[in-house]
Amino acid sequence: QSALTQPPSASGSLGQSVTISCSGTSSDVGGYNYVSWYQQHPGKAPKLMICEVTKRPSGVPDRFSGSKSGNTASLTVSGLQAEDEADYYCSSYAGSNNLIFGGGTKLTVL
Amino acid sequence: EVQVVQSGAEVKKPGESLKISCKGSGYSFTTYWIGWVRQMPGKGLEWIGIIYPDDSDTRYSPSFQGQVAISADKSISTAYLQWSSLKASDTAMYYCARYSGTYTFFDYWGQGTLVTVSS
Repeated sequence: QSALTQPPSASGSLGQSVTISCSGTSSDVGGYNYVSWYQQHPGKAPKLMICEVTKRPSGVPDRFSGSKSGNTASLTVSGLQAEDEADYYCSSYAGSNNLIFGGGTKLTVL
Repeated sequence: EVQVVQSGAEVKKPGESLKISCKGSGYSFTTYWIGWVRQMPGKGLEWIGIIYPDDSDTRYSPSFQGQVAISADKSISTAYLQWSSLKASDTAMYYCARYSGTYTFFDYWGQGTLVTVSS
């Protein structure tokens, strides 16, 4: 069971938008609308940012949005702010009560 | 307020056993799954498994099946992750989090428990 594929790094300037991809297969990302995204700052626990592909939990800024096309999910951060600099992980249900994570993407705000 | 609070850091020798804990509060502990996630030093997140405290129904990632044991004591709203014989490769941060079994996401996370295994 391989991890979902994310780019190791992404960057954008303050105020701009950046999109992070998360590629899987028809057995995980493509097969279910159960993709989530987590933000992790250094030395901190992960924080849920997006669930069920597009839903934002209470308290998450609307600058964060999620989408999916086929076997690839995406997280878009609009209006980049300094505090958005963090690691981002996607996860997907993979059937048979299994969950898999992506390898993570380090987002740098320039 | 929902809170998930984990036990403190541990330093162990190879071959020793260990049980770390995770206490949920501010919600009905028996009606949500709770799960464990590993993060090795400088690496990404890995799903270990989940437990439903009401009946102790437990599911494991194939990668961790047989390597660890997950349990829960609903009378004290606490879940556990246990090793019978630690290896140096078990050195990692372990996170506990409330899990929405229906929609498969972790919504409330503990602060993490650092486990160091070294001779």
